Amino acid sequence: RKEVEQDPGPFNVPEGATVAFNCTYSNSASQSFFWYRQDCRKEPKLLMSVYSSGNEDGRFTAQLNRASQYISLLIRDSKLSDSATYLCVVNAGGGGAQKLVFGQGTRLTINP
Amino acid sequence: GAVVSQHPSWVICKSGTSVKIECRSLDFQATTMFWYRQFPKQSLMLMATSNEGSKATYEQGVEKDKFLINHASLTLSTLTVTSAHPEDSSFYICSARRGQDTQYFGPGTRLTVL
Repeated sequence: RKEVEQDPGPFNVPEGATVAFNCTYSNSASQSFFWYRQDCRKEPKLLMSVYSSGNEDGRFTAQLNRASQYISLLIRDSKLSDSATYLCVVNAGGGGAQKLVFGQGTRLTINP
Repeated sequence: GAVVSQHPSWVICKSGTSVKIECRSLDFQATTMFWYRQFPKQSLMLMATSNEGSKATYEQGVEKDKFLINHASLTLSTLTVTSAHPEDSSFYICSARRGQDTQYFGPGTRLTVL
C-alpha cells in the first residue's frame, strides 16, 4: 500500500465548477499535511497547509480527518489557471524533522 | 524571499558519464537540503536528506555510491549522478529548509541519458 494515495484523475471540469480531491495516508503518526500544486514540467509549489479544524484560503478549502486518515481539497468557482496536478503531501518526519511523502497527484483540467 | 535555484535546468549526456547538479538557496541559509526524483506520471520520491557538513541520509533503495551528495555550505548542495544510464533519466528536484520552516523547492533539473 502506498503511503499517500490519491485518485490520479484526470478530472476535466468546466470553468466555474466546484471540484473536490481526496487523499488517504497510511502512517497514523503523521503530524502535518499539505496540498501542493505542480504545473507541467515545473517544481511543486505549496498551495496550503491542512489543519485539523479545516482551513480555507480564498476559493480553496482543505479538510483533515485524522480518524479516517483522510485529507480533502475543495476548489470553488474554478478558473482556467487552476489547471494543474494537485499533490497531497504528508510529513512523515518526527521531532521537528521534515520528511515529505508525496502522493501521485491528481491531474485537473479546467475547460473554458 | 526563500528562493532556491538549480543548475543546470536540463542536461543531456551519454551513458557512462557523470553529471553534477547544483542546488543553491539564494537568500537564506538552509539548515537542511533534500533531493527528490520524479519519473513521468509518478510522484516525487525523496532520495536523500543532507545537513551542512555531514553525510547525507539516503532513503531505502537509493545507492549512495551512485548518487553522491555534497553539502559543503549552508547555501549549496550538489548531487552527482555517477556513471549515468538511461534509467537514471528523470526530473531531479532539490529543496531547502530554513530552520523549522517549510521546504522551498528548486525549479528542477531534467536529466536525459542517451
